[in-house]
Amino acid sequence: DGGITQSPKYLFRKEGQNVTLSCEQNLNHDAMYWYRQDPGQGLRLIYYSQIVNDFQKGDIAEGYSVSREKKESFPLTVTSAQKNPTAFYLCASSNLAGGSGQPQHFGDGTRLSIL
Amino acid sequence: QKEVEQNSGPLSVPEGAIASLNCTYSDRGSQSFFWYRQYSGKSPELIMSIYSNGDKEDGRFTAQLNKASQYVSLLIRDSQPSDSATYLCAPSFSGGYNKLIFGAGTRLAVHP
Repeated sequence: DGGITQSPKYLFRKEGQNVTLSCEQNLNHDAMYWYRQDPGQGLRLIYYSQIVNDFQKGDIAEGYSVSREKKESFPLTVTSAQKNPTAFYLCASSNLAGGSGQPQHFGDGTRLSIL
Repeated sequence: QKEVEQNSGPLSVPEGAIASLNCTYSDRGSQSFFWYRQYSGKSPELIMSIYSNGDKEDGRFTAQLNKASQYVSLLIRDSQPSDSATYLCAPSFSGGYNKLIFGAGTRLAVHP
């Protein structure tokens, strides 16, 4: 079945540690996105990518980094510079065929907490 | 002014009633509009897309769009307890990159 796989489901970070969240899709979608969701709040865009080896900062990119070496994969690293990383992280993808304004489809998310 | 405004709720409706969820947006160039349902602790799930003014029906769901008023709504007929969730409104960003702008969501509670 086609879909978006995020791993791990739960992740704990120690002070000063970088952690990487995995996102893989087999939908053959061109675009991929990372969002952060805090309790009771909407989704805030961290990074997005429309093509391999290219990505753009979203609204809250500070303290995060990404790479897009393969079309299927868009890992997110939460660095030690992100002082408040506790949140629900969501990866999404969308097809760019047909122009802009295509729906995004989400993985199951990774819940990150500080130890 | 927030880019996408939704009443946070909770919106409480009895089982079998019509639930009406509203959304206003500020980006006049938005062309595509999506409604997502998010159960507590889960990821958002796409339930409706609408691209032109008017109504679009899919089963018990009807999306309504009025671009002149920058308003989009979602009606859920014959509400069921399983419809209890947070509903996110997401207009497309007119500046490209296939970005969506998400509202904070309206929490719907359907009671038996």
